[in-house]
Amino acid sequence: RKEVEQDPGPFNVPEGATVAFNCTYSNSASQSFFWYRQDCRKEPKLLMSVYSSGNEDGRFTAQLNRASQYISLLIRDSKLSDSATYLCACGAGSYQLTFGKGTKLSVIP
Amino acid sequence: NAGVTQTPKFQVLKTGQSMTLQCAQDMNHEYMSWYRQDPGMGLRLIHYSVGAGITDQGEVPNGYNVSRSTTEDFPLRLLSAAPSQTSVYFCASSYLGQDSYEQYFGPGTRLTVT
Repeated sequence: RKEVEQDPGPFNVPEGATVAFNCTYSNSASQSFFWYRQDCRKEPKLLMSVYSSGNEDGRFTAQLNRASQYISLLIRDSKLSDSATYLCACGAGSYQLTFGKGTKLSVIP
Repeated sequence: NAGVTQTPKFQVLKTGQSMTLQCAQDMNHEYMSWYRQDPGMGLRLIHYSVGAGITDQGEVPNGYNVSRSTTEDFPLRLLSAAPSQTSVYFCASSYLGQDSYEQYFGPGTRLTVT
């Protein structure tokens, strides 16, 4: 079983829609969680960290469910510019992060 | 700050050739790493370093060497290129501590081995 799993998608949603991605992790010692965004042919860039109590940054909300070992990313009012691949990453208290393979999002006009 | 820089952006090699991919960061990060990204495979860790003079293998180290003589630089060497090493290579860096910190990525090097 992969340590970090994501639905590869693609998720095709109309502009203005709300879309949610989940990411499950198998290492119960994981303590640090992040969402990255990767545009086509570009490097991954940090979108947001995920805190235990959940956190929001504008249209983006990240949540952590330790009991079920998953993190989620909710995007409200989707824009065309949100089209990208979204990677989750988990760290177990060491310096290394384990990345999921990513979920591709296409926002359609 | 320039962040994490990588050179070259693109490279074409013939089978058997060797080359070095350069990576540098100006954020004084102790941790640096190299990943390769292939379609459907996600990011796979090749080698990493937790400080100058300290390196270790990741998930897919075969065919690659690294060294870390300074905090800033972490070059990746392909010893004898093979078509299976055709990929996009990303260097990343982060702070080092008891927690795992977010990693910052360079723009990548697209390598084709013919």
